[in-house]
Amino acid sequence: DSGVTQTPKHLITATGQRVTLRCSPRSGDLSVYWYQQSLDQGLQFLIQYYNGEERAKGNILERFSAQQFPDLHSELNLSSLELGDSALYFCASSPSAGDTQYFGPGTRLTVL
Amino acid sequence: GQNIDQPTEMTATEGAIVQINCTYQTSGFNGLFWYQQHAGEAPTFLSYNVLDGLEEKGRFSSFLSRSKGYSYLLLKELQMKDSASYLCAVRNTGRRALTFGSGTRLQVQP
Repeated sequence: DSGVTQTPKHLITATGQRVTLRCSPRSGDLSVYWYQQSLDQGLQFLIQYYNGEERAKGNILERFSAQQFPDLHSELNLSSLELGDSALYFCASSPSAGDTQYFGPGTRLTVL
Repeated sequence: GQNIDQPTEMTATEGAIVQINCTYQTSGFNGLFWYQQHAGEAPTFLSYNVLDGLEEKGRFSSFLSRSKGYSYLLLKELQMKDSASYLCAVRNTGRRALTFGSGTRLQVQP
């Protein structure tokens, strides 16, 4: 158990819908990262937050957005969902930007 | 940009030693990480190298050569539970996030 929690564990929804994934970092970690992992691709970095502020952006679609709240938990919002958005979404946290990242158990999103 | 290459699959025998290679091309290298990931589960941190040389942690060791853009993960005394994907990830100085390779799926056979 890494200490990073993610909810929900599984999510099934339809195309065109919007969902919110939630992540709570390890106690004391200020940095949160979001990754997408599809069957045919490796772990793709989406976005990073540090102490409430966006720090780095990867291959995140415009339909996706995220934020980190004052209590340091983070949410990833996915809208206008498409079949290709079906994937495992992982959150990771680290004490500071650039430190070793510890991953949560992931949310498996299925878009039908 | 960054480019990370790892073999897609490897097979080894229980009790043996296996070496998983990773080559990378990046500007502003600032560390290389190895993670283990069982199917459908979260990646778990194995090792970190930022200077050249070998880092040993029990049955697992990781080596880095910055001049060659090369790293390997060495797994000794293989166990069936070591069957998993092994992900090589590079951090650069400009962006603190990690860039992951596609992973090497290791199958340990009896």
